[in-house]
Parts: sequence; structure tokens; C-alpha cells
Amino acid sequence: DAGITQSPRHKVTETGTPVTLRCHQTENHRYMYWYRQDPGHGLRLIHYSYGVKDTDKGEVSDGYSVSRSKTEDFLLTLESATSSQTSVYFCAISAEVADSEQYFGPGTRLTVT
Amino acid sequence: GDSVTQMEGPVTLSEEAFLTINCTYTATGYPSLFWYVQYPGEGLQLLLKATKADDKGSNKGFEATYRKETTSFHLEKGSVQVSDSAVYFCALSDLSFGNEKLTFGTGTRLTIIP
Repeated sequence: DAGITQSPRHKVTETGTPVTLRCHQTENHRYMYWYRQDPGHGLRLIHYSYGVKDTDKGEVSDGYSVSRSKTEDFLLTLESATSSQTSVYFCAISAEVADSEQYFGPGTRLTVT
Repeated sequence: GDSVTQMEGPVTLSEEAFLTINCTYTATGYPSLFWYVQYPGEGLQLLLKATKADDKGSNKGFEATYRKETTSFHLEKGSVQVSDSAVYFCALSDLSFGNEKLTFGTGTRLTIIP
């Protein structure tokens, strides 16, 4: 199994509070991704990174920011959480561009009340 | 833009039945195609992939053939088991325009009953 961990695994927070989710990898892979999974939508890309300090937006990036200061860590921040951001969040990594396999973390279930 | 359309679920089959999950795609270039599987409570994992037309990906008894003429990548298995119960996602990546990411379908939940 690829070495990917996500923390926390579960979180309940209130509307308007900031939240940071962490993805940590031990594979030294260049690419890292944040997805959200919602019923009826499958997985949708929020942001991705192609190297330290190099990030780009995905299809549902509004309300989210990311940072990657080290190869192994990719942080997702909800500056002011809203109920529409209740979801399961998955981090993924890949060694090369998306033509190669992406390895997924176990997910973080976030509930915004 | 790129898109993936999967057959809607849920799909319920008896053990040893034949499985087909349909997947069609729209892409502007020459995509690679993937099937990912998500078991309960876990992240996604790659099941199989095909990178060019007429390629067949296979793994764990599952197969899918990249059909450019019909823009399809249907997943098949000849005899399903209870352990195949999971959500299956079709996905594509299209590097033709520097698109370094996967586009997923909405997923198909498969339940196999003994």
C-alpha cells in the first residue's frame, strides 16, 4: 500500500470556522491532489499540486485553498466552512502526470453544522 | 470539456452472474482510461487501465477494452463474487492539452448477493 495518511479522519465543525485537512505521503511522489466525494457527483477535483509551492485549481476550488511547503505534505484549508462543504475528502498522489496510477488516502469525513 | 458517463446504479447481482458496467466518455484529445474501485470505508484503488485504442485492461477477472469508435470503456467480469461488492468509477485523463488530472464518472454501486 502506498504510504498516504490523512488527518483528521473525522471532523465536525460549525459554519464559519476555519478548517485544515492534512495529507501526508511517504512515497516522495511529485503530484498530490485533493478531491471531494458527494453522492451523485463522484469525485471532483478541488486543487492539485505538481511540486513544492506549485499548485493549481480544480473544478470546485471556490472556498478552498491549499499549500505545499514540503514534498510530503499537502494541506487543504476551508477558510470559513459552509454546510455545502460537508463531504468526504480524499487526498491522492501520483509519481507522474495523471496517465499513471493515482493512490488514494483513506479519506476525511467532514461535517459542517 | 472532458466528461465520463457511467450507467446509473445501484446494480444488484447474484453470485456467479455476468457483470457489465457501461462507461462512455467525451474527450478532445487521446485520453487514457481507467476503472477505479472503492470498497466500503476505503479510498479508491486502481482496478485496470488502458492507454490507447483497442487496448484491453484486465485485473482480478475484470476486463475493459478501449473502444475509440464508440468512445466506450465498459467493465466486464464473467462470474462475480460477494467480495466484488463495491463502488466502481470510470475515469479518464487527457494529456493532449496538458491536462494533468483525472475526470471521474459518478460511480456505480455494485452489490453481489450470495
